[in-house]
Amino acid sequence: AQTVTQSQPEMSVQEAETVTLSCTYDTSESDYYLFWYKQPPSRQMILVIRQEAYKQQNATENRFSVNFQKAAKSFSLKISDSQLGDAAMYFCAYRSFYNFNKFYFGSGTKLNVKP
Amino acid sequence: DTGVSQDPRHKITKRGQNVTFRCDPISEHNRLYWYRQTLGQGPEFLTYFQNEAQLEKSRLLSDRFSAERPKGSFSTLEIQRTEQGDSAMYLCASSQAGNHEQYFGPGTRLTVT
Repeated sequence: AQTVTQSQPEMSVQEAETVTLSCTYDTSESDYYLFWYKQPPSRQMILVIRQEAYKQQNATENRFSVNFQKAAKSFSLKISDSQLGDAAMYFCAYRSFYNFNKFYFGSGTKLNVKP
Repeated sequence: DTGVSQDPRHKITKRGQNVTFRCDPISEHNRLYWYRQTLGQGPEFLTYFQNEAQLEKSRLLSDRFSAERPKGSFSTLEIQRTEQGDSAMYLCASSQAGNHEQYFGPGTRLTVT
């Protein structure tokens, strides 16, 4: 089974600064999707950004961008110009291209944003 | 589009009791997923429906757990003879065929005393 590892249980960033959250995964598949989800306190999980493994270009969504290193099986999330509203749990997730039923989630990174 | 809704949001029950949770997906979504999330962990896949058919179940889903989606719309997750280890957040998500994104509900937090 695929595994997703987030080695940073908690991180802090100053407002307006940049922070990078790490994620590694283990798979034998060549085609898959990777996601970052945000879960604010007591609120539902929302998708931040998505990366298809067959795409070499790193995905970008406004202040959020990823560094996808397929050979290293690494998928980090960079948040630029951090805002107070970015404070949340962030989960990295993997989904097989062929078995689309299952998402495999990491254990999450709690991001604190300091004013 | 009102999003995925779940009911109840919180449930406290005594060990041995049965509980049932409901999930209403986004109306045009034919795929529905149940996850369990324990404190400090990411969601773990439990089961998946495409329309009314339950196509996959995790081995985490013991025989005390049953899920249904009778008309391909809302879904229920029932836990019989609850145990303290069942205490968790139960998340529902839905998606549309061909769309990679899952939309999550707010979850039902179960506490078994």
